[in-house]
Amino acid sequence: ILNVEQSPQSLHVQEGDSTNFTCSFPSSNFYALHWYRWETAKSPEALFVMTLNGDEKKKGRISATLNTKEGYSYLYIKGSQPEDSATYLCASTQGGSEKLVFGKGTKLTVNP
Amino acid sequence: GAGVSQSPSNKVTEKGKDVELRCDPISGHTALYWYRQSLGQGLEFLIYFQGNSAPDKSGLPSDRFSAERTGGSVSTLTIQRTQQEDSAVYLCASSIIRGNQPQHFGDGTRLSIL
Repeated sequence: ILNVEQSPQSLHVQEGDSTNFTCSFPSSNFYALHWYRWETAKSPEALFVMTLNGDEKKKGRISATLNTKEGYSYLYIKGSQPEDSATYLCASTQGGSEKLVFGKGTKLTVNP
Repeated sequence: GAGVSQSPSNKVTEKGKDVELRCDPISGHTALYWYRQSLGQGLEFLIYFQGNSAPDKSGLPSDRFSAERTGGSVSTLTIQRTQQEDSAVYLCASSIIRGNQPQHFGDGTRLSIL
């Protein structure tokens, strides 16, 4: 059974603060790690897909790192803005399968 | 271009009724997935179709749940004899299968069983 854990569950920050969240996953049989952003009343939006140990990806003010040996990924947001408010989901795939196993997400609220 | 389309967006029905949820994936995407999010839970995998291969049904919670994908495109998720615990947001996603591609999600169907 593949368990993906995310922390914290929720986070409130002020506009301009930088923040980060953690995703942990079993490292055995690892295939890929996905990050999604899910805003209320919208569909989840893909941010990153990472596969290699040491991978770092960046999209604007958001970046992510991956450690497949110890089974964790960090998502960083630099200079948070109110429009960054959303639930950030990570999901892992295992053993060559494409089906995603999701964590419960980190709900970020950025106060203006 | 058009994204993943799901219908209906909301469905309220009485316990014991059957429901059908529809997903129209992005054109050219060979893989199609169904997930659901129950209250307080994370997104849970239900079923996965890839091209002409047999679907991976390992996430379906009971034999009341079934899904089909006709002509490699539109998919229908059917829940028979609905129960209150079936209340959830049902999400469909599609992707290109060429090594770890992101999945593209629809807006979901919010199903409420009275």
